[in-house]
Amino acid sequence: ETGVTQSPTHLIKTRGQQVTLRCSSQSGHNTVSWYQQALGQGPQFIFQYYREEENGRGNFPPRFSGLQFPNYSSELNVNALELDDSALYLCASSFRESEETQYFGPGTRLLVL
Amino acid sequence: GESVGLHLPTLSVQEGDNSIINCAYSNSASDYFIWYKQESGKGPQFIIDIRSNMDKRQGQRVTVLLNKTVKHLSLQIAATQPGDSAVYFCAENRGTSYDKVIFGPGTSLSVIP
Repeated sequence: ETGVTQSPTHLIKTRGQQVTLRCSSQSGHNTVSWYQQALGQGPQFIFQYYREEENGRGNFPPRFSGLQFPNYSSELNVNALELDDSALYLCASSFRESEETQYFGPGTRLLVL
Repeated sequence: GESVGLHLPTLSVQEGDNSIINCAYSNSASDYFIWYKQESGKGPQFIIDIRSNMDKRQGQRVTVLLNKTVKHLSLQIAATQPGDSAVYFCAENRGTSYDKVIFGPGTSLSVIP
């Protein structure tokens, strides 16, 4: 098991609502990346946060936004939820200044009805 | 567009046999590749990585081979065990940091006892 934790584990929302997902990075890590994994597919990169600023973004609309806090934990916010947002949301942490790989949390399963 | 993909979506092997999972990539400029294992209900777990200046790297029961000429990766698992049953993703690391990872679609490995 990695030291990356995510909450909640499962979540059900309705279309149009907003959701906030949380991630605590592994001790010593300063970078958090978020991924969306639809059923039966590989994870897709949403964005990355480093030193509390967004540091790279994938092909996701602006209604996907995030934050990183001074303790390096992070939030993913999704506004105006759509049915296609139903997926497993993964966060991964790493230490940017090293060449060590990133470690994933267990994910949050989001269902949008 | 550029992508990382897998030749076979599913693979069934007998317990004790060796498994080989293949992966093709299209970005010849990529310099770092990773294999992940994802069990049901869990986040991706790092297995092994390889940099483009290497052809082969070995870990515990796993070997990754990189053929840059044909842009092909493979993961070999020796003496496959029931606990190896999972979805395996190859991933390509792009960007200036070693954090932005592009995943392929995955191969499901089933081990027959």
